[in-house]
Amino acid sequence: GEQVEQLPSILRVQEGSSASINCTYENSASNYFPWYKQEPGENPKLIIDIRSNMERKQTQGLIVLLDKKAKRFSLHITDTQPGDSAMYFCAASAGDMGYKLTFGTGTSLLVDP
Amino acid sequence: GGIITQTPKFLIGQEGQKLTLKCQQNFNHDTMYWYRQDSGKGLRLIYYSITENDLQKGDLSEGYDASREKKSSFSLTVTSAQKNEMAVFLCASSIGGQDTQYFGPGTRLLVL
Repeated sequence: GEQVEQLPSILRVQEGSSASINCTYENSASNYFPWYKQEPGENPKLIIDIRSNMERKQTQGLIVLLDKKAKRFSLHITDTQPGDSAMYFCAASAGDMGYKLTFGTGTSLLVDP
Repeated sequence: GGIITQTPKFLIGQEGQKLTLKCQQNFNHDTMYWYRQDSGKGLRLIYYSITENDLQKGDLSEGYDASREKKSSFSLTVTSAQKNEMAVFLCASSIGGQDTQYFGPGTRLLVL
């Protein structure tokens, strides 16, 4: 099956700076890579995703990069705000078993005002 | 929009007990999922159901049973609760594979 490694597990930044989270995967057939944000006491919510036909995707202060050769994808949050403080999970799935999402272990992001 | 409800919100069980968790969605989504969330381990897939009456094992299915009674509901049974077990069970639904998964609020399990 798929394995997804996510680093760092804890990330602390100053408000206004950028934050980066990196994930690697093992299955070269993986072609869908979503990112979920989970605020304390809340359920995870999709914030951005990228498919293997793209290398970069950007929406509302979030940038996702995908390097298929290195089997690596990353989330970059620009101009962080205290409201960005949360757990972030990356995930991957392969087209042949597209229903099965394998999640990373999560990054706890804390943005200091 | 739609909503996913999970019952109960909190569940306290005894070692060896059979425990059932329920999930309902009104998105009219075909696919439903059960995940277990442990601190420091992310979300792990227990069972999923592509459509009504379908059942597929995830990576963590041992010790669990599931049932997709109808399109809108998906239940999970812990067949024999383990002492000191503590986890959050999250239900989710999506239109299909590789589509946005919408999560419910979770059931928090504690086994004494």
